[in-house]
Amino acid sequence: KQEVTQIPAALSVPEGENLVLNCSFTDSAIYNLQWFRQDPGKGLTSLLLIQSSQREQTSGRLNASLDKSSGRSTLYIAASQPGDSATYLCAVDTSRDDKIIFGKGTRLHILP
Amino acid sequence: DGGITQSPKYLFRKEGQNVTLSCEQNLNHDAMYWYRQDPGQGLRLIYYSQIVNDFQKGDIAEGYSVSREKKESFPLTVTSAQKNPTAFYLCASSPTGLASSYNEQFFGPGTRLTVL
Repeated sequence: KQEVTQIPAALSVPEGENLVLNCSFTDSAIYNLQWFRQDPGKGLTSLLLIQSSQREQTSGRLNASLDKSSGRSTLYIAASQPGDSATYLCAVDTSRDDKIIFGKGTRLHILP
Repeated sequence: DGGITQSPKYLFRKEGQNVTLSCEQNLNHDAMYWYRQDPGQGLRLIYYSQIVNDFQKGDIAEGYSVSREKKESFPLTVTSAQKNPTAFYLCASSPTGLASSYNEQFFGPGTRLTVL
């Protein structure tokens, strides 16, 4: 059964720093991995989708990588800003179970 | 504006009542999903539909029902059989169904249901 883990659960960093959020999964048989952002009391906003055949995707200051063999994905945020404060979730579309499994998220706080 | 709308934003229900949460999308997506989000538990799938007039149970379907009569609409009914319905409910859609590399999900703003 696929399990998705995000560590740490919470992270605080000063404004301007580059940072990396981690997502690990136990079954490498996936179709894709998606990163989301969620602000308090709001829905999820899609940030990046990495297909199983891809190694990374970039959007602005965000870069997501995927290493299926090790069951890991990272979300790199460059030059962090207070507006980046939110919870970041990863989700895996897993082929063996034919479902999408979400991690519990990392709550990010950028200190002004 | 293209997107997914959910209504109402807040919903209060008395014990023993059924309530229906609305989800509409104008993205022309084939697949739609309902998730429940509880603090510390992440998102759990209630139901999903990959095509009109067809839907499948997710991990926590007991006490819920859905219909998919139109491509744009996927309402969720929370019945009195759901023992602990207080939660944040999220609707999502994707261009294709599961088992696809292109299955990017897009979410609505959510409905917060509180049982009084």
